[in-house]
Amino acid sequence: EDQVTQSPEALRLQEGESSSLNCSYTVSGLRGLFWYRQDPGKGPEFLFTLYSAGEEKEKERLKATLTKKESFLHITAPKPEDSATYLCAVQDTNAGKSTFGDGTTLTVKP
Amino acid sequence: EPEVTQTPSHQVTQMGQEVILRCVPISNHLYFYWYRQILGQKVEFLVSFYNNEISEKSEIFDDQFSVERPDGSNFTLKIRSTKLEDSAMYFCASSAERPLHFGNGTRLTVT
Repeated sequence: EDQVTQSPEALRLQEGESSSLNCSYTVSGLRGLFWYRQDPGKGPEFLFTLYSAGEEKEKERLKATLTKKESFLHITAPKPEDSATYLCAVQDTNAGKSTFGDGTTLTVKP
Repeated sequence: EPEVTQTPSHQVTQMGQEVILRCVPISNHLYFYWYRQILGQKVEFLVSFYNNEISEKSEIFDDQFSVERPDGSNFTLKIRSTKLEDSAMYFCASSAERPLHFGNGTRLTVT
């Protein structure tokens, strides 16, 4: 069974203080790893898809990387508007569904 | 940018009643999903739907649940006899292949 574990559960940063979120995963075959952002009361919003180890994707202050066992979401010089819950999900080659982790709730203080 | 829309945004119902949650997926998408998120817990897969039939379902998706695509645009989730533990946010999602595009959910409260 696919498993996704995210750490830390919560992260508080000062504005401008860079950090990383971790997503460890177990799948029989990886079709794709996804990062989403979820704001309170809203649905997950797609950020990145990573397909193979060594791949990297960037968008503004966010950069996602992938190894064979984990993915990192690096946040460079975060701003208060980056505060949200960040979700990691994996899609198995044998299944169409995505399996989600519990998420990391990021709070960025001005 | 096209988006997935869900109605209603909040539904309150009594235990044992039937509810229908509605979704309009992105128009050129072929794969449709329902997920749910109990307050404070992770997003959980319920069911996927492709080519007018269920392609995959989880253990949560028992005989009380059903899905339908009644026309070319709507996708519905029906819960026949709601239980207290069905209280959650229900998210509809669609995709062309991947990734998933989610709606903003229906908050279902069963009293």
